[in-house]
Amino acid sequence: SQQGEEDPQALSIQEGENATMNCSYKTSINNLQWYRQNSGRGLVHLILIRSNEREKHSGRLRVTLDTSKKSSSLLITASRAADTASYFCARGQGAQKLVFGQGTRLTINP
Amino acid sequence: DGGITQSPKYLFRKEGQNVTLSCEQNLNHDAMYWYRQDPGQGLRLIYYSQIVNDFQKGDIAEGYSVSREKKESFPLTVTSAQKNPTAFYLCATRPLAVGTDTQYFGPGTRLTVL
Repeated sequence: SQQGEEDPQALSIQEGENATMNCSYKTSINNLQWYRQNSGRGLVHLILIRSNEREKHSGRLRVTLDTSKKSSSLLITASRAADTASYFCARGQGAQKLVFGQGTRLTINP
Repeated sequence: DGGITQSPKYLFRKEGQNVTLSCEQNLNHDAMYWYRQDPGQGLRLIYYSQIVNDFQKGDIAEGYSVSREKKESFPLTVTSAQKNPTAFYLCATRPLAVGTDTQYFGPGTRLTVL
Protein backbone atom coordinates (compact mmCIF):
# COMPACT_ATOMS: atom_id res chain seq x y z
CA SER A 1 0.00 0.00 0.00
CA GLN A 2 1.23 3.50 -0.68
CA GLN A 3 1.66 5.53 2.47
CA GLY A 4 3.29 8.63 1.06
CA GLU A 5 1.26 11.63 0.04
CA GLU A 6 2.86 14.19 -2.20
CA ASP A 7 1.70 17.62 -3.07
CA PRO A 8 1.22 19.28 -5.33
CA GLN A 9 0.38 16.55 -7.83
CA ALA A 10 1.54 18.87 -10.60
CA LEU A 11 3.66 22.01 -10.62
CA SER A 12 4.48 24.31 -13.52
CA ILE A 13 7.01 27.13 -13.11
CA GLN A 14 9.25 29.34 -15.19
CA GLU A 15 12.88 28.49 -15.75
CA GLY A 16 15.04 30.05 -13.06
CA GLU A 17 12.35 29.89 -10.37
CA ASN A 18 12.52 27.60 -7.36
CA ALA A 19 10.33 24.50 -7.12
CA THR A 20 9.13 23.05 -3.83
CA MET A 21 7.50 19.65 -3.45
CA ASN A 22 6.14 18.19 -0.25
CA CYS A 23 5.77 14.66 1.06
CA SER A 24 3.84 13.44 4.09
CA TYR A 25 3.78 10.00 5.61
CA LYS A 26 1.93 8.17 8.34
CA THR A 27 4.32 5.85 10.15
CA SER A 28 7.85 6.06 11.52
CA ILE A 29 10.74 5.99 9.11
CA ASN A 30 14.38 4.98 8.98
CA ASN A 31 15.00 7.34 6.13
CA LEU A 32 13.22 9.23 3.39
CA GLN A 33 14.46 9.29 -0.18
CA TRP A 34 13.69 11.38 -3.23
CA TYR A 35 13.82 10.02 -6.78
CA ARG A 36 13.35 11.59 -10.21
CA GLN A 37 11.71 9.93 -13.20
CA ASN A 38 11.88 11.29 -16.70
CA SER A 39 8.95 10.32 -18.88
CA GLY A 40 8.95 6.62 -19.72
CA ARG A 41 12.23 5.95 -17.94
CA GLY A 42 13.47 4.35 -14.76
CA LEU A 43 13.90 6.23 -11.49
CA VAL A 44 17.09 7.98 -10.51
CA HIS A 45 18.02 8.45 -6.86
CA LEU A 46 18.49 12.10 -5.87
CA ILE A 47 19.00 12.29 -2.14
CA LEU A 48 18.45 10.36 1.10
CA ILE A 49 17.79 11.93 4.48
CA ARG A 50 17.90 9.85 7.65
CA SER A 51 15.41 10.17 10.47
CA ASN A 52 17.96 11.89 12.72
CA GLU A 53 18.75 14.54 10.10
CA ARG A 54 16.79 17.74 9.53
CA GLU A 55 18.25 19.12 6.33
CA LYS A 56 20.47 17.94 3.54
CA HIS A 57 21.88 19.58 0.42
CA SER A 58 23.09 18.23 -2.89
CA GLY A 59 23.92 20.78 -5.57
CA ARG A 60 20.71 22.68 -6.33
CA LEU A 61 18.65 20.30 -4.19
CA ARG A 62 17.70 20.90 -0.60
CA VAL A 63 15.70 18.38 1.40
CA THR A 64 14.20 18.96 4.81
CA LEU A 65 12.66 16.45 7.18
CA ASP A 66 10.32 17.15 10.09
CA THR A 67 9.68 13.88 11.89
CA SER A 68 7.28 15.52 14.37
CA LYS A 69 5.03 16.51 11.46
CA LYS A 70 5.89 13.40 9.45
CA SER A 71 6.73 15.48 6.41
CA SER A 72 9.56 16.26 4.05
CA SER A 73 10.12 18.80 1.33
CA LEU A 74 12.34 18.91 -1.74
CA LEU A 75 13.47 22.29 -3.01
CA ILE A 76 15.05 22.68 -6.43
CA THR A 77 16.66 26.07 -6.80
CA ALA A 78 17.26 27.95 -10.05
CA SER A 79 15.24 25.44 -12.07
CA ARG A 80 16.23 24.41 -15.58
CA ALA A 81 14.27 22.89 -18.44
CA ALA A 82 16.12 19.62 -17.81
CA ASP A 83 14.51 19.43 -14.34
CA THR A 84 11.18 18.65 -16.01
CA ALA A 85 10.27 15.22 -14.62
CA SER A 86 8.21 13.46 -11.98
CA TYR A 87 9.59 13.47 -8.47
CA PHE A 88 8.80 10.77 -5.93
CA CYS A 89 9.41 10.50 -2.24
CA ALA A 90 9.99 7.03 -0.85
CA ARG A 91 9.88 6.00 2.76
CA GLY A 92 12.34 3.37 3.95
CA GLN A 93 10.20 0.61 5.46
CA GLY A 94 12.16 -1.76 7.66
CA ALA A 95 15.47 -2.88 6.26
CA GLN A 96 14.44 -3.81 2.78
CA LYS A 97 11.51 -2.04 1.27
CA LEU A 98 10.61 1.39 0.00
CA VAL A 99 7.07 2.78 -0.06
CA PHE A 100 6.58 5.35 -2.80
CA GLY A 101 4.28 8.33 -2.98
CA GLN A 102 2.26 9.14 -6.09
CA GLY A 103 4.71 11.77 -7.23
CA THR A 104 4.76 15.41 -8.30
CA ARG A 105 4.91 16.18 -12.02
CA LEU A 106 7.17 19.18 -12.45
CA THR A 107 7.20 21.20 -15.67
CA ILE A 108 9.79 23.91 -16.21
CA ASN A 109 8.72 26.41 -18.85
CA PRO A 110 11.47 28.14 -20.85
CA ASP B 1 20.09 2.97 -15.61
CA GLY B 2 23.64 1.65 -16.04
CA GLY B 3 24.29 -1.87 -14.89
CA ILE B 4 20.65 -2.99 -14.93
CA THR B 5 19.13 -4.31 -18.12
CA GLN B 6 15.43 -4.90 -18.64
CA SER B 7 14.11 -6.55 -21.72
CA PRO B 8 12.14 -6.18 -23.79
CA LYS B 9 11.44 -2.44 -23.66
CA TYR B 10 7.94 -2.95 -25.03
CA LEU B 11 5.90 -6.13 -24.75
CA PHE B 12 2.49 -6.95 -26.10
CA ARG B 13 0.46 -9.86 -24.81
CA LYS B 14 -2.81 -11.42 -25.70
CA GLU B 15 -5.26 -12.10 -22.92
CA GLY B 16 -4.71 -15.51 -21.36
CA GLN B 17 -1.00 -15.66 -22.12
CA ASN B 18 1.83 -15.75 -19.62
CA VAL B 19 4.79 -13.49 -20.32
CA THR B 20 8.20 -13.19 -18.69
CA LEU B 21 10.03 -9.91 -18.18
CA SER B 22 13.79 -10.06 -17.87
CA CYS B 23 15.95 -8.17 -15.37
CA GLU B 24 19.72 -8.63 -15.35
CA GLN B 25 22.29 -6.71 -13.29
CA ASN B 26 26.09 -6.56 -13.23
CA LEU B 27 26.33 -4.39 -10.12
CA ASN B 28 26.88 -7.37 -7.80
CA HIS B 29 23.95 -6.19 -5.70
CA ASP B 30 22.32 -8.70 -3.41
CA ALA B 31 18.73 -7.47 -3.36
CA MET B 32 16.46 -7.17 -6.38
CA TYR B 33 12.93 -5.78 -6.65
CA TRP B 34 10.03 -5.67 -9.08
CA TYR B 35 7.64 -2.72 -9.10
CA ARG B 36 4.55 -1.93 -11.09
CA GLN B 37 3.68 1.64 -12.13
CA ASP B 38 0.32 2.66 -13.52
CA PRO B 39 -0.16 5.95 -15.42
CA GLY B 40 0.24 8.97 -13.19
CA GLN B 41 0.87 6.80 -10.15
CA GLY B 42 3.74 5.86 -7.89
CA LEU B 43 5.43 2.47 -7.69
CA ARG B 44 3.93 -0.58 -6.03
CA LEU B 45 6.09 -3.49 -4.93
CA ILE B 46 5.36 -6.87 -6.52
CA TYR B 47 8.18 -9.14 -5.27
CA TYR B 48 11.66 -8.77 -3.86
CA SER B 49 14.62 -11.03 -3.23
CA GLN B 50 17.54 -10.57 -0.89
CA ILE B 51 19.52 -13.67 -1.80
CA VAL B 52 19.60 -16.39 -4.41
CA ASN B 53 16.78 -18.93 -4.17
CA ASP B 54 14.78 -16.76 -1.80
CA PHE B 55 12.10 -14.13 -2.46
CA GLN B 56 9.18 -12.47 -0.70
CA LYS B 57 5.82 -11.15 -1.83
CA GLY B 58 5.30 -7.44 -1.96
CA ASP B 59 2.03 -5.56 -1.79
CA ILE B 60 0.55 -6.74 -5.11
CA ALA B 61 1.99 -10.23 -5.77
CA GLU B 62 -1.24 -11.87 -6.96
CA GLY B 63 -1.00 -12.97 -10.59
CA TYR B 64 2.80 -12.68 -10.67
CA SER B 65 5.65 -15.12 -10.07
CA VAL B 66 9.43 -14.76 -9.82
CA SER B 67 12.57 -16.84 -9.54
CA ARG B 68 16.08 -16.04 -8.32
CA GLU B 69 18.37 -18.82 -9.53
CA LYS B 70 21.32 -16.51 -10.08
CA LYS B 71 22.43 -13.36 -8.27
CA GLU B 72 22.45 -11.46 -11.54
CA SER B 73 18.94 -12.33 -12.69
CA PHE B 74 15.42 -11.86 -11.32
CA PRO B 75 12.80 -12.60 -14.01
CA LEU B 76 9.15 -11.71 -13.47
CA THR B 77 6.35 -13.77 -14.99
CA VAL B 78 3.00 -12.10 -15.47
CA THR B 79 0.46 -14.89 -15.48
CA SER B 80 -3.00 -15.05 -16.97
CA ALA B 81 -4.33 -14.75 -13.41
CA GLN B 82 -3.26 -11.09 -13.32
CA LYS B 83 -6.50 -9.35 -14.26
CA ASN B 84 -5.12 -6.01 -15.37
CA PRO B 85 -1.48 -6.43 -16.33
CA THR B 86 -1.09 -3.42 -18.63
CA ALA B 87 1.47 -1.24 -16.85
CA PHE B 88 5.08 -0.11 -16.71
CA TYR B 89 7.30 -2.60 -14.86
CA LEU B 90 10.48 -1.52 -13.14
CA CYS B 91 13.25 -3.66 -11.75
CA ALA B 92 15.57 -2.32 -9.05
CA THR B 93 18.60 -3.52 -7.13
CA ARG B 94 20.24 -2.67 -3.83
CA PRO B 95 23.47 -3.70 -2.14
CA LEU B 96 22.90 -5.11 1.33
CA ALA B 97 25.82 -3.45 3.07
CA VAL B 98 24.85 -1.53 6.20
CA GLY B 99 23.78 2.01 5.44
CA THR B 100 23.10 1.44 1.76
CA ASP B 101 19.39 2.08 1.44
CA THR B 102 19.36 3.49 -2.09
CA GLN B 103 17.74 1.48 -4.85
CA TYR B 104 18.99 1.52 -8.43
CA PHE B 105 16.47 1.21 -11.22
CA GLY B 106 16.47 -0.31 -14.67
CA PRO B 107 14.90 1.43 -17.69
CA GLY B 108 11.62 -0.47 -17.41
CA THR B 109 9.40 -2.65 -19.59
CA ARG B 110 6.04 -1.41 -20.82
CA LEU B 111 3.56 -4.27 -21.02
CA THR B 112 0.35 -3.91 -22.99
CA VAL B 113 -2.39 -6.52 -23.08
CA LEU B 114 -4.27 -6.56 -26.35
